Amino acid sequence: QVQLVESGGGVVQPGRSLRLSCAASGFTFSNYGMHWVRQAPGKGLEWVAVIWYDGSNKYYGDSMKDRFTISRDNSKNTLWLQMNSLRADDTAVYYCAKDRWGRWELPSPYFDSWGQGTLVTVSS
Amino acid sequence: QSALTQPASVSGSPGQSITISCTGTISDVGGYNFVSWYQQHPGKAPKVMIYDVTNRPSGVSNRFTGSKSGNTASLTISGLQAEDEADYYCASYTSSSTRVFGTGTKVTVL
Repeated sequence: QVQLVESGGGVVQPGRSLRLSCAASGFTFSNYGMHWVRQAPGKGLEWVAVIWYDGSNKYYGDSMKDRFTISRDNSKNTLWLQMNSLRADDTAVYYCAKDRWGRWELPSPYFDSWGQGTLVTVSS
Repeated sequence: QSALTQPASVSGSPGQSITISCTGTISDVGGYNFVSWYQQHPGKAPKVMIYDVTNRPSGVSNRFTGSKSGNTASLTISGLQAEDEADYYCASYTSSSTRVFGTGTKVTVL
């Protein structure tokens, strides 16, 4: 079955950087787009970024543009999120999520599998 | 890229039906049949309940149904059960190839 395991969260000072990882298994990673979604404490879900199955296209939420970079290595079945110039309002649980829209499939863009999340706390 | 609008809370008694609305624009909800709904229990990851407006993934109860009219999508839970008490979020594909979530709705079973 699909398994997504995030890591790399922790406490970081404002202005610093952090890189999150998501190890994927149980499916052909190279055939699916992947997302990062975050949730601030006690708040709703916020979409962060998507990367296409082959890494050819990347899209970001407005408040993450220019600070966050999504990337992947299909040979390692791993997804990353590089976060720079972190701010207090970036404090959240960050989830890795798989897109149902596969390389060889008709469009059906939704999040069909989620990791358990990794907590990022931005604080001095 | 504004969040889709959902009611903050909806409640109902066991056995009743409730409906959660999700209002967007022509650039997201109204422009595509790519609305999905997610259930999230406290401390847990979200779980997809409905995708492509009306489709239920395997294993999801048929008490959950989705629909859409114009720029507003809806999730109806019929035969409300205690286990349905959770937060619910809609999400949509957008004209910018991004995704957007709803503001979230807390469902309380009285």
